[in-house]
Amino acid sequence: EDQVTQSPEALRLQEGESSSLNCSYTVSGLRGLFWYRQDPGKGPEFLFTLYSAGEEKEKERLKATLTKKESFLHITAPKPEDSATYLCAVQAGGSNYKLTFGKGTLLTVNP
Amino acid sequence: GAGVSQSPSNKVTEKGKDVELRCDPISGHTALYWYRQSLGQGLEFLIYFQGNSAPDKSGLPSDRFSAERTGGSVSTLTIQRTQQEDSAVYLCANPGANVLTFGAGSRLTVL
Repeated sequence: EDQVTQSPEALRLQEGESSSLNCSYTVSGLRGLFWYRQDPGKGPEFLFTLYSAGEEKEKERLKATLTKKESFLHITAPKPEDSATYLCAVQAGGSNYKLTFGKGTLLTVNP
Repeated sequence: GAGVSQSPSNKVTEKGKDVELRCDPISGHTALYWYRQSLGQGLEFLIYFQGNSAPDKSGLPSDRFSAERTGGSVSTLTIQRTQQEDSAVYLCANPGANVLTFGAGSRLTVL
């Protein structure tokens, strides 16, 4: 059974204080690992897809990395508008978009 | 439409009543997914449509849950005889360009 565990459950940062969110996974043949951002009352918003160990992707203050067992979402010099829940999901080989999601990390960035 | 549209955005119902949740997908997208997000839980896959057919219904939690899709477009998720444990946000999504795009969801509260 595919599993995704995200840590920490919640993270409070001061503006400008860099940190990382963790996503540990087990999956039968990883086809893709996804990061989403979710604001209160809204649906998840796509951030990144990673396909193979060693891959990295960046967007503004966010950088996602992937190993064979986990992914990290690094947040550099965060701003209050980065406050959201960050979700990680895995797609197994041959499973189309039947993704397995973690429970998310609630990030709060204080000014 | 340009995005995935869901209605109602909020629904409060009494235990034992039936509810219908609607999804208007991105125009022209043949695949459609329903997920459920319960408090404190990760998103859970419910059902997948390809056109009007549902090749994977494995995530539907009980026979009180059903879904249909007509004309390869609008989909309706029906929950019969609602229970309190059905309270959750129900999300619809379309895959495209290797990304699953979600609607804002329908929040169901069963009293």
